[in-house]
Amino acid sequence: DGGITQSPKYLFRKEGQNVTLSCEQNLNHDAMYWYRQDPGQGLRLIYYSQIVNDFQKGDIAEGYSVSREKKESFPLTVTSAQKNPTAFYLCASSPAGNYGYTFGSGTRLTVV
Amino acid sequence: DQQVKQNSPSLSVQEGRISILNCDYTNSMFDYFLWYKKYPAEGPTFLISISSIKDKNEDGRFTVFLNKSAKHLSLHIVPSQPGDSAVYFCAASVGNFNKFYFGSGTKLNVKP
Repeated sequence: DGGITQSPKYLFRKEGQNVTLSCEQNLNHDAMYWYRQDPGQGLRLIYYSQIVNDFQKGDIAEGYSVSREKKESFPLTVTSAQKNPTAFYLCASSPAGNYGYTFGSGTRLTVV
Repeated sequence: DQQVKQNSPSLSVQEGRISILNCDYTNSMFDYFLWYKKYPAEGPTFLISISSIKDKNEDGRFTVFLNKSAKHLSLHIVPSQPGDSAVYFCAASVGNFNKFYFGSGTKLNVKP
């Protein structure tokens, strides 16, 4: 079955450590996205990538980094520079130039 | 500053009645709007869309209305069913399918 997989579902990390969230899709979608959700707020765009080896910052990119070495994969690294990393992270993909996002089921990151 | 706002965090409706979910936006340049539905522990799934050249779009029990002068859109679900109980997000973009701004969501509870 085609879909988008985020792992792990829950992640705990100590303050000051970098952590990488995985996002893999087998939908042959060109574009991939990372969003963050905080209580009482909408989804906010962190980074997006329209093609392999290229990505753009979203509205809240500070403290995050991404790579897009393969079409299927768009990992997100939450660095120690991110001041409030505890949040729910959603990855999505879509065909190029199409609003049809497919979302993963999310990763809840808790930094203690 | 949130450009897309859903001011009602929750809504409770009796089965068979109409559910009306509201969304306001501040950016008059937004020209494409989406509604997503999210069940617990799952990613959001696309529900219905509308472009700014229309004021209404219908898909089965779901209808989205757009009032550009008021910068307001609404989602009507008729008749509501218990399976519609979920969180609903509205999203908007400016001629760019790669950058959507999301509201904070409204949790709909349809009571049997």
